[in-house]
Amino acid sequence: LAKTTQPISMDSYEGQEVNITCSHNNIATNDYITWYQQFPSQGPRFIIQGYKTKVTNEVASLFIPADRKSSTLSLPRVSLSDTAVYYCLVGGSDNQFYFGTGTSLTVIP
Amino acid sequence: DAGVTQSPTHLIKTRGQHVTLRCSPISGHKSVSWYQQVLGQGPQFIFQYYEKEERGRGNFPDRFSARQFPNYSSELNVNALLLGDSALYLCASSLGWRDWSSGANVLTFGAGSRLTVL
Repeated sequence: LAKTTQPISMDSYEGQEVNITCSHNNIATNDYITWYQQFPSQGPRFIIQGYKTKVTNEVASLFIPADRKSSTLSLPRVSLSDTAVYYCLVGGSDNQFYFGTGTSLTVIP
Repeated sequence: DAGVTQSPTHLIKTRGQHVTLRCSPISGHKSVSWYQQVLGQGPQFIFQYYEKEERGRGNFPDRFSARQFPNYSSELNVNALLLGDSALYLCASSLGWRDWSSGANVLTFGAGSRLTVL
């Protein structure tokens, strides 16, 4: 059972880099790790996905160590519009999907 | 292109009643999954369907059921509603199933159906 845990909340100033870590100690061999962003009254929105090492796209980077028991979402130079809840999702080699507890990020001007 | 659409957006029911929630996936997506999100918590996986077959089921009682139609739309049914069923019900669609390496399993979510049980 791949349970995931994240810090409940984080604050950051505009323009800073933000790193949010998710722990998933029981991740299965074929599980992928995906991060989503959610604004109030909306469904989660895809940010980035990876299996191991480092993945980068136009909005974020994802770092996954060799043991894959954790992952870190890195948001470069955050702005006020990045204030949201961020979830990691681990799944689904066993046809199950496990969302993390969510990290509420507040970006301060 | 239209995203994932869900209906109704809001509804109020009383304990013991039945509810049906509907979801239309993105055109071309063959997989639909359902999630329950209680206020202040992360989404909890309920079901996944691919090509009209149930492919995964979360830890929810038998009062919860779902199906996928030939046009890939889906319904989530909840019987004998309890106060604890009050939540945002999210539907997500994806191109494929268990095809993680290509990105075909990336989920696109709808805005959800907000269910209140009184």
